[in-house]
Amino acid sequence: AQSVTQLGSHVSVSEGALVLLRCNYSSSVPPYLFWYVQYPNQGLQLLLKYTSAATLVKGINGFEAEFKKSETSFHLTKPSAHMSDAAEYFCAVITMDTGRRALTFGSGTRLQVQP
Amino acid sequence: SAVISQKPSRDICQRGTSLTIQCQVDSQVTMMFWYRQQPGQSLTLIATANQGSEATYESGFVIDKFPISRPNLTFSTLTVSNMSPEDSSIYLCSVNAGGAGGTEAFFGQGTRLTVV
Repeated sequence: AQSVTQLGSHVSVSEGALVLLRCNYSSSVPPYLFWYVQYPNQGLQLLLKYTSAATLVKGINGFEAEFKKSETSFHLTKPSAHMSDAAEYFCAVITMDTGRRALTFGSGTRLQVQP
Repeated sequence: SAVISQKPSRDICQRGTSLTIQCQVDSQVTMMFWYRQQPGQSLTLIATANQGSEATYESGFVIDKFPISRPNLTFSTLTVSNMSPEDSSIYLCSVNAGGAGGTEAFFGQGTRLTVV
């Protein structure tokens, strides 16, 4: 079975500081990994995805994530936080070894950006 | 990519009643997924809807409570039946399109349901 664990339900950073949101996955086969962002009262928007190509993935809004197989991690980073980054972030996984094509989501991390 | 239109965007319903949520996709897709997001929680898969067959429900969700229709490759409905306040959640429709093996998921804006 596949799963993702997001460490830290709430993360608070100052504007301009580094953003680091943690995600670890569990999968018996190479996974496809995703980060989604959800702004208040809105749907989910894909930030970036890892699908077995480059391990360092660049996404929208200056975010990037690195797939580390040895650490089973896919942490999301952004060098400099902006006030508009305040939102809920979800890590998610799909594996291709079963017929299941729905995403399995982590519990989410709420990012707060302080002025 | 895929554009998903979901309606209603929100509703306030009386307990004991039912609400049907519609999901329209701008392209033909094999699988459509329905998720529930309870207040302050992550997304949980309710069921997978394939055209021409019965929906496949996840553990903890049953057809009598969440009947799903999938009449064609671009449309699906989810009904929340005999509602109680515990059903107050955001319900999201999703499809996979594009990406490697069609693995990129796209989401509707969600239906914010409040049961009073």
